[in-house]
Amino acid sequence: AAGVIQSPRHLIKEKRETATLKCYPIPRHDTVYWYQQGPGQDPQFLISFYEKMQSDKGSIPDRFSAQQFSDYHSELNMSSLELGDSALYFCASSLGLRDQGIGELFFGEGSRLTVL
Amino acid sequence: GNSVTQMEGPVTLSEEAFLTINCTYTATGYPSLFWYVQYPGEGLQLLLKATKADDKGSNKGFEATYRKETTSFHLEKGSVQVSDSAVYFCALRAQTRGGADGLTFGKGTHLIIQP
Repeated sequence: AAGVIQSPRHLIKEKRETATLKCYPIPRHDTVYWYQQGPGQDPQFLISFYEKMQSDKGSIPDRFSAQQFSDYHSELNMSSLELGDSALYFCASSLGLRDQGIGELFFGEGSRLTVL
Repeated sequence: GNSVTQMEGPVTLSEEAFLTINCTYTATGYPSLFWYVQYPGEGLQLLLKATKADDKGSNKGFEATYRKETTSFHLEKGSVQVSDSAVYFCALRAQTRGGADGLTFGKGTHLIIQP
């Protein structure tokens, strides 16, 4: 079965550079979530999209932005990178924001960003 | 707001020991509850879930029962294996007027099984 695809899997950037992460949800899933997981930490919710519109916003820094495109894939853009942005970034997808809260989120393998 | 509290680790057990990882939650409304597992260097995988009171989720020998009266969803396994070594996250997903929220995670419990 198709899973959530994230790219790149690993990314190394210098401070103050820009990075873009991509997420391709499971086919027919219309809701995408982005999470950030620091070393030894639990995943922290950044932002979510439903039908190409932002549906919820968590602890996403102003330096970050994201969007969901017409084919439902999503991109997380990170600018003016800081050392503290080094983390594992997960994308997850689900079927429908209005699924009455019973469904699980399906996670990708994550993109590991290292800022030097 | 929503929150999940789970026992801190690391939890170290011998192979074939009985496992319990405690999880309690606070949520508005009636959430769905999940356990996710993260093996070293990998992503988050759903282990089991429960969507209403007294539901029991089970998978790979793990079980957890949705207890509304104690707002708990403790994870148990009768006989753990070395391959169960991983980080386990308890999580909830709550309903809102507009639909469903994303997941709220606990801090994670690192489980180490020794042969």
